[in-house]
Amino acid sequence: QQPVQSPQAVILREGEDAVINCSSSKALYSVHWYRQKHGEAPVFLMILLKGGEQKGHEKISASFNEKKQQSSLYLTASQLSYSGTYFCGTGGAGRRALTFGSGTRLQVQP
Amino acid sequence: DTGVSQDPRHKITKRGQNVTFRCDPISEHNRLYWYRQTLGQGPEFLTYFQNEAQLEKSRLLSDRFSAERPKGSFSTLEIQRTEQGDSAMYLCASSPDPQGSYGYTFGSGTRLTVV
Repeated sequence: QQPVQSPQAVILREGEDAVINCSSSKALYSVHWYRQKHGEAPVFLMILLKGGEQKGHEKISASFNEKKQQSSLYLTASQLSYSGTYFCGTGGAGRRALTFGSGTRLQVQP
Repeated sequence: DTGVSQDPRHKITKRGQNVTFRCDPISEHNRLYWYRQTLGQGPEFLTYFQNEAQLEKSRLLSDRFSAERPKGSFSTLEIQRTEQGDSAMYLCASSPDPQGSYGYTFGSGTRLTVV
């Protein structure tokens, strides 16, 4: 089942913060976050694994609540380059492929 | 590391024709995934391979879709008897590990338009 993302869209001014949420009805082994700019491929941002391990880059942080099967992506001091659509992808244990949410459109204005 | 390559970038075909897309993953990645994406939606899973073995196929995928990954290198996705509903961006991605603990690297996609 597809994870649910909220909000669907958000508009920010440069320097403002944003939080994007992702929730699943199934037990999760991992949560991935990707950013996709218009006309481009999704780009990997971060992975959060059951047990607390995180792997990622850039000035972005995230949390993973295993009990609630939820993850949140924190964008602080947003820059114009943060604009795009953010997708969470959720994976169960083992060898299953990711299931992606429908995305959150983020627009950062000067 | 040249990234994930997909060919062609764009394909326009008439309804009822067959089309084939190719994906070349990052060479040391043993997992290869196919997704489909329509405007305003997230990538929708189609199928994936661990080396040459096709391990999972979406239940939503009709029998008109088939994928191969001979010798565990490049992969092809074929759609037979295309329908207008097949119009979408077809994305290929690869990852280096079988446990799902690394991110996916996506290719730029093949945009299919069925007329």
